[in-house]
Amino acid sequence: EIVLTQSPGTLSLSPGERATLSCRASQSVDSKCLVWYQQKPGQAPRLLIYGASSRATGIPDRFTGSGSGTDFTLTISRLEPEDCAVYYCQHYRSSLWAFGQGTKVEIK
Amino acid sequence: QVQLQESGPGLVKPSGTLSLNCVVSGDSIISSNWWNWVRQPPGKGLEWIGEIYHGGNIYYNPSLKSRVTILVDKSQNQVSLTLTSVTAADTAVYYCARDHDYGDSTWAFDIWGQGTMVTVSS
Repeated sequence: EIVLTQSPGTLSLSPGERATLSCRASQSVDSKCLVWYQQKPGQAPRLLIYGASSRATGIPDRFTGSGSGTDFTLTISRLEPEDCAVYYCQHYRSSLWAFGQGTKVEIK
Repeated sequence: QVQLQESGPGLVKPSGTLSLNCVVSGDSIISSNWWNWVRQPPGKGLEWIGEIYHGGNIYYNPSLKSRVTILVDKSQNQVSLTLTSVTAADTAVYYCARDHDYGDSTWAFDIWGQGTMVTVSS
């Protein structure tokens, strides 16, 4: 079983700053199988990034996914107030999905 | 526009059975997509429950496999979730989600329902 560990638990930054969110896998994973979601309070998750680096439809280009092997990163280049949310990474292997525990992004 | 709508009882008694439906509109349940259930306990993270393909392939989270059944109803264009022997630990918002094929073995949950809260309590 592959475990995804996200860090930091909480990130508190000002508007315009750059946010770097980490997702580390306990074993090497195929980049095609790594996904990122954004979840705002009281809402369902929203797909941000699939295949580790491809933005989903309608996602602003300030969101960038990168990484390979065991280390993946979601970067928000210029934080905006509406980016306040919890971000989850997710992967699948052998038809089984799993989520990381999430990183909360707070806007000062 | 594809939409998913979950429904079911908001309150289930301990040791009882939780049953939810997810109606799919704007897409066919027999398309090339898979259909998933995900849950989120209050204040906690997301937990994948399982997924189904209309052709009959089903995969479950090993931690829930002994209690979970996911089915497709092609006539109603909906997917259902049944969870037996529930306890307070099963209290959560339950989401259905579409698992979309982006090609080259790349998949992701691109459409989510709004979720339905289920509380397990006597």
